[in-house]
Amino acid sequence: DAGVIQSPRHEVTEMGQEVTLRCKPISGHNSLFWYRQTMMRGLELLIYFNNNVPIDDSGMPEDRFSAKMPNASFSTLKIQPSEPRDSAVYFCASSRDRFGGYTFGSGTRLTVV
Amino acid sequence: SQQGEEDPQALSIQEGENATMNCSYKTSINNLQWYRQNSGRGLVHLILIRSNEREKHSGRLRVTLDTSKKSSSLLITASRAADTASYFCATDGDRDDKIIFGKGTRLHILP
Repeated sequence: DAGVIQSPRHEVTEMGQEVTLRCKPISGHNSLFWYRQTMMRGLELLIYFNNNVPIDDSGMPEDRFSAKMPNASFSTLKIQPSEPRDSAVYFCASSRDRFGGYTFGSGTRLTVV
Repeated sequence: SQQGEEDPQALSIQEGENATMNCSYKTSINNLQWYRQNSGRGLVHLILIRSNEREKHSGRLRVTLDTSKKSSSLLITASRAADTASYFCATDGDRDDKIIFGKGTRLHILP
């Protein structure tokens, strides 16, 4: 298995532009998580899905953020419009269940200028 | 919040020495996990310990859990340069699959 695959690895965009981050979880994993990591705030859980259904989006900072999981093998996190304070590393992770731990992707480093 | 808090925030030790990191949390848990993150990379799952377990080993790693004190420790024995990384504890809730991470301990192994 190739692990959790995120794209792009790096994204630089101008303030106000739409940004879409992509994630392919490990096949057979039922849960998918989006995290954001910054020096100041550490790792923050934004949203997670179970069996493609959003379960908890209480960590999504604003309405500018949205996430979808149209099928078991693909998820997107969209920021529209983007702002400089959205600059961070965004991680996607998946898990089979709560007993096996999470597998993280390599992350997308987003810079909004 | 079930967020774990690691202590110390940073730790530097000589190669070959043992490294101990601690984690405290606030509410009841089902399990506690430890992850490692190398600079610029994603997190890697190291070990999971369930609330009914007190100690667990994996290679050079030893994790303890004291639910009465709501604390855990991660011991890395005979440290190596490759152990230089940030280490995070993560705790779950009793109703869902999400886990919340602490802010981590930055471990630096000196040659």
